[in-house]
Amino acid sequence: EAGVTQFPSHSVIEKGQTVTLRCDPISGHDNLYWYRRVMGKEIKFLLHFVKESKQDESGMPNNRFLAERTGGTYSTLKVQPAELEDSGVYFCASSQRVGTGPGANVLTFGAGSRLTVL
Amino acid sequence: AQSVTQLGSHVSVSEGALVLLRCNYSSSVPPYLFWYVQYPNQGLQLLLKYTSAATLVKGINGFEAEFKKSETSFHLTKPSAHMSDAAEYFCAVSFSGGYNKLIFGAGTRLAVHP
Repeated sequence: EAGVTQFPSHSVIEKGQTVTLRCDPISGHDNLYWYRRVMGKEIKFLLHFVKESKQDESGMPNNRFLAERTGGTYSTLKVQPAELEDSGVYFCASSQRVGTGPGANVLTFGAGSRLTVL
Repeated sequence: AQSVTQLGSHVSVSEGALVLLRCNYSSSVPPYLFWYVQYPNQGLQLLLKYTSAATLVKGINGFEAEFKKSETSFHLTKPSAHMSDAAEYFCAVSFSGGYNKLIFGAGTRLAVHP
């Protein structure tokens, strides 16, 4: 099966500009997560979708970040306007429904989108 | 609150030597524990997981980890390091009812030298 796909792999923008990151989860995975790693620090949770609904967005830094998941399929994360401290690697992950089974409780990650804000 | 501490941001071993990467967690409920690895220019890959079955968990590439509840630890080991093991390793915790939300440690970068 295809893995979690993220686009773009790397984006370089200037402060104040807008960037949209996209994530295509594994087909059939209801749960989709966004994480971020800033400058060698911990990978931190941003938010979690269950299908098209936001289950938990407690990790979103501020209202410059907007995440959507249209129709419960792919997701986008928009940063507008971008600031220098937004630079980092944004990871998307997906998992099947919470419960039992070999894939339960396991997140599959994409390769990440590296954002550089100048 | 749940948290993860990885001791040592950088670990260096010789090829063929034992690899030991330390992870301690804090959780008020039974945890699920994971080790992920990130090779250069790649995404996070699951190495192994503990989900309340056997306390000694075997993963890919010869790695294993032992869950020790009394020590709240989940250290990752490999008997003999290979050059290809050079990567960054992340310990993470989630818990039942947490919708698989992961809390990560800061990561340990493993260097393997000849």
